[in-house]
Amino acid sequence: GAVVSQHPSRVICKSGTSVKIECRSLDFQATTMFWYRQFPKQSLMLMATSNEGSKATYEQGVEKDKFLINHASLTLSTLTVTSAHPEDSSFYICSANRRRGTTGELFFGEGSRLTVL
Amino acid sequence: QKEVEQNSGPLSVPEGAIASLNCTYSDRGSQSFFWYRQYSGKSPELIMFIYSNGDKEDGRFTAQLNKASQYVSLLIRDSQPSDSATYLCAVTNNRDDKIIFGKGTRLHILP
Repeated sequence: GAVVSQHPSRVICKSGTSVKIECRSLDFQATTMFWYRQFPKQSLMLMATSNEGSKATYEQGVEKDKFLINHASLTLSTLTVTSAHPEDSSFYICSANRRRGTTGELFFGEGSRLTVL
Repeated sequence: QKEVEQNSGPLSVPEGAIASLNCTYSDRGSQSFFWYRQYSGKSPELIMFIYSNGDKEDGRFTAQLNKASQYVSLLIRDSQPSDSATYLCAVTNNRDDKIIFGKGTRLHILP
């Protein structure tokens, strides 16, 4: 079964509204989660690293005021796309590293497809 | 610039044959290597991971790692049409949990 759950799987919104996407680790604690964006036929692009209890680390070119990340607990990170525009339409995917000793396995959520009209 | 390189394909392989997917990486500090499969419109799913030089087998899948050559590959034996997908190679250095993905190779298994 899934070890990382993402919700909602699909969302359609009007331009100018804000959308929140949740990412949960189901059977492990994740101090770090990652948010990716994927446009059609493109590879995964890391947007930001979500750190529990502290500010997220954003990749170059990603607007932190537009993509708000909150990692309030060890099992939940949220991504809020503020004032969404059609160019923000994309497939947003979160991931979390389930650590086993010194190694880890990165698991992905199911993804959230955002369509901004 | 830390990079992971893959041939974008598409790679066409007859059903029942061996599909060979290749990946090179630039960061010599990389320690963990992953292969993910992604079907169109879906999230990536982990197929294999490998940490040590050599081969690692799991069912029809074999991952091969050569750190000296900075090369990792995935072999799929007895290819099935359901194996048709994009395969993403990913690398991490275990220092910051940040994983670097290649652009993926599209694999098409011909029935």
